[in-house]
Amino acid sequence: EAQVTQNPRYLITVTGKKLTVTCSQNMNHEYMSWYRQDPGLGLRQIYYSMNVEVTDKGDVPEGYKVSRKEKRNFPLILESPSPNQTSLYFCASREQGNTGELFFGEGSRLTVL
Amino acid sequence: AQSVAQPEDQVNVAEGNPLTVKCTYSVSGNPYLFWYVQYPNRGLQFLLKYITGDNLVKGSYGFEAEFNKSQTSFHLKKPSALVSDSALYFCAVPHSGGYQKVTFGTGTKLQVIP
Repeated sequence: EAQVTQNPRYLITVTGKKLTVTCSQNMNHEYMSWYRQDPGLGLRQIYYSMNVEVTDKGDVPEGYKVSRKEKRNFPLILESPSPNQTSLYFCASREQGNTGELFFGEGSRLTVL
Repeated sequence: AQSVAQPEDQVNVAEGNPLTVKCTYSVSGNPYLFWYVQYPNRGLQFLLKYITGDNLVKGSYGFEAEFNKSQTSFHLKKPSALVSDSALYFCAVPHSGGYQKVTFGTGTKLQVIP
């Protein structure tokens, strides 16, 4: 089954404690991206990757890092989480090119105390 | 800059009635436009897209959308709403110049009343 898998689905942490949200896709997609969803703001793009070792900033990259060492994986790293990073995070992938639809993971709800 | 606007935070419609969820866009060049749906506690799912060709696009679950270039709109429609259509709907546009960045609207909550 084609899918994008995120872990953890739910996480409560404290300010400053580094964490990683993993994302893996089994569709051999070249393009992957991270979004955060906040009430009233919709989805905002954090980072995207066009292929292995190629990443770029989206609209709200501050406080986040990503890496793309393998095609299937695109982890989101919060080096020093702060309460304003409390949000619902989504990973998505699609085939390379501009006309394909995004396939989303089920989301990771992060709370930073 | 590319942008989309969803002017309604919530739309209420009675079951069996037609529904419309509005989206307007501002893009440079030819727009590629998408609709996604999010059911409670789930990720977003693709509904339909406009790339080129016919202005009326048909998608999943009986939804369709009409691309209107003069009004810069891409409204989502369904002839007869179901209670199970109740969800959060997002309009989205990839940015020109590579289409790697994608901007989403703020979302419209659709409530179908039995």
